[in-house]
Amino acid sequence: DAKTTQPTSMDCAEGRAANLPCNHSTISGNEYVYWYRQIHSQGPQYIIHGLKNNETNEMASLIITEDRKSSTLILPHATLRDTAVYYCIVRVFSNYGQNFVFGPGTRLSVLP
Amino acid sequence: AAGVIQSPRHLIKEKRETATLKCYPIPRHDTVYWYQQGPGQDPQFLISFYEKMQSDKGSIPDRFSAQQFSDYHSELNMSSLELGDSALYFCASSLGSSGGGNEQFFGPGTRLTVL
Repeated sequence: DAKTTQPTSMDCAEGRAANLPCNHSTISGNEYVYWYRQIHSQGPQYIIHGLKNNETNEMASLIITEDRKSSTLILPHATLRDTAVYYCIVRVFSNYGQNFVFGPGTRLSVLP
Repeated sequence: AAGVIQSPRHLIKEKRETATLKCYPIPRHDTVYWYQQGPGQDPQFLISFYEKMQSDKGSIPDRFSAQQFSDYHSELNMSSLELGDSALYFCASSLGSSGGGNEQFFGPGTRLTVL
């Protein structure tokens, strides 16, 4: 699976959009981009995933560049509860139990 | 909606004892994963099962074993416990067959402390 690079930490003001970047320059054509987050000591929480097209759900939007070498997770209106470590993971879509490789992620702090 | 259930939530053991962690996946999910997260570390993959067969193996010590049962729940058995085994253990499940997004849904974790 391709490696990813994320900023170690970011701050965001409450109510503003949080834009979390991820570089995955060695991504291959059949690899998806997944985003998870982990709020202190809780189980990682699925946020969104995509292949080529931009994706949006009730939690966030995922913007993938045309060359697929980078992506941005957007939390449109960050709240204090969005403070967490955010993991960008690149992985082949697999039906047969292929694991995710976590780390180190971006520690997002949402400030009042 | 039903989530992944893990039991126990907390477990305290002595060195060289054994421990069994249980995981109940989301209904209809056929794939189970185990991850270990040490203090201040990122989750590390241990092992996974698809349709009751081992599907992938990560950095699981030989002292650990796991299986998935006919009802799709899974158990992680840990023997000869060491101080370094103290960690959060997460179970995740997914729908491996077609129709699922292949995303993994994680349980709340079991916090194992070895004294």
